[in-house]
Amino acid sequence: QVQLVQSGAEVKKPGASVKVSCKASGYTFTNYDIIWVRQAPGQGLEWMGWISDYNANTNYAQRLQGRVTMTTDTSTSTAHMELTSLRSDDTAVYYCARVSHGSGGNNWFDPWGQGTLVTVSS
Amino acid sequence: DIQMTQSPSSLSASVGDRVTITCRASQSISSYLNWYQQKPGEAPKLLIYAASNLQSGVPSRFSGSGSGTDFTLTISSLQPEDLATYYCQQSYGTSFTFGPGTKVDIK
Repeated sequence: QVQLVQSGAEVKKPGASVKVSCKASGYTFTNYDIIWVRQAPGQGLEWMGWISDYNANTNYAQRLQGRVTMTTDTSTSTAHMELTSLRSDDTAVYYCARVSHGSGGNNWFDPWGQGTLVTVSS
Repeated sequence: DIQMTQSPSSLSASVGDRVTITCRASQSISSYLNWYQQKPGEAPKLLIYAASNLQSGVPSRFSGSGSGTDFTLTISSLQPEDLATYYCQQSYGTSFTFGPGTKVDIK
């Protein structure tokens, strides 16, 4: 079945970087884009950006520009999200999800990875 | 960026009740609107895509409608397993924003 499995929880100090991985299985990795979404404790969902699995083009949320980098490794069907200059308000669960494209241009996210908790604390 | 609002922010209903959640976009987004369910401690799950299309495997008591700026998610007969937070998400343009969520509790 289609599945996204993410790397384990991380604890980082302010100013450090974190890299979260998302391994896909059950489908042709290069046929679908990947998006990243985060959720701070007790808060809603925040779209972070997406990466095209076909040509690695990226589109990042404006508020994260300059700190976030999304990449893919087609040899291992794995997407990565790196966030630098971490702050306490980056503490969140980070999710990856596969993007499906509708014929009319709509895009939806399914399935989702299980989430990776990143804690930023001194 | 397109802003999304949802109402109510939370609700409490009894098993068997009809529940309606509203999502509004700050500009027209055609039918580029999706709904997700997030149960406590779990990842979000796609319920409805393109405003009114039921994702495979999702119970038929869930339905979506709307276009332009106003959308609704309806649960025709609330079940105990529907305890969750529901999010709308727009994909018009190049930035995909979520609504703030509606928490559904069971009385």
